[in-house]
Amino acid sequence: GESVGLHLPTLSVQEGDNSIINCAYSNSASDYFIWYKQESGKGPQFIIDIRSNMDKRQGQRVTVLLNKTVKHLSLQIAATQPGDSAVYFCAENIVKGGGNKLTFGTGTQLKVEL
Amino acid sequence: GAGVSQSPRYKVAKRGQDVALRCDPISGHVSLFWYQQALGQGPEFLTYFQNEAQLDKSGLPSDRFFAERPEGSVSTLKIQRTQQEDSAVYLCASSLGSGISNQPQHFGDGTRLSIL
Repeated sequence: GESVGLHLPTLSVQEGDNSIINCAYSNSASDYFIWYKQESGKGPQFIIDIRSNMDKRQGQRVTVLLNKTVKHLSLQIAATQPGDSAVYFCAENIVKGGGNKLTFGTGTQLKVEL
Repeated sequence: GAGVSQSPRYKVAKRGQDVALRCDPISGHVSLFWYQQALGQGPEFLTYFQNEAQLDKSGLPSDRFFAERPEGSVSTLKIQRTQQEDSAVYLCASSLGSGISNQPQHFGDGTRLSIL
């Protein structure tokens, strides 16, 4: 299928290693952040979220770190597996009109090498 | 499954034709969003509904784009007089709550629109 990862920054890791994907967000007023995984030909899949009153949140094999001082997010994936290969997007929440309009970052292509 | 469903998955139209894209959100989800995703880029917000009310349409690129959700469930994105720059993947997302509840949006697999 057609890749969503054309012209995106690429991170290559060995199977079993830990992966760290970084994201700089734009709006200091954003108060909610989400990481999505997108495989070719599919929609973004929710991985983990974090609110601005936290600086770390852990899920299954994933950890998100938030540094509001420098407007930086990171996604850590432990023991990376071939199934983790995809494009990863961070998204920030800009609340407007009572909704949760998301602004997405550029995206990072993660390639897991066997 | 119980996820967001979009149809058709692929749509090819000639320049100048009108198209309609359908989204079935997760049952019971109050909020519904449309995004446009160009190749190699992240999704970009188009419009947002809370139930049947369209609360934000600031991302619609022109008045050729129109969205509706008349009964607060299924939504349709219509593009009139399509142009080549409309070619993209159109994603629909829904979330359970609204306002400042900050609940994650769950996406469908999108409609890939190609304008010839």
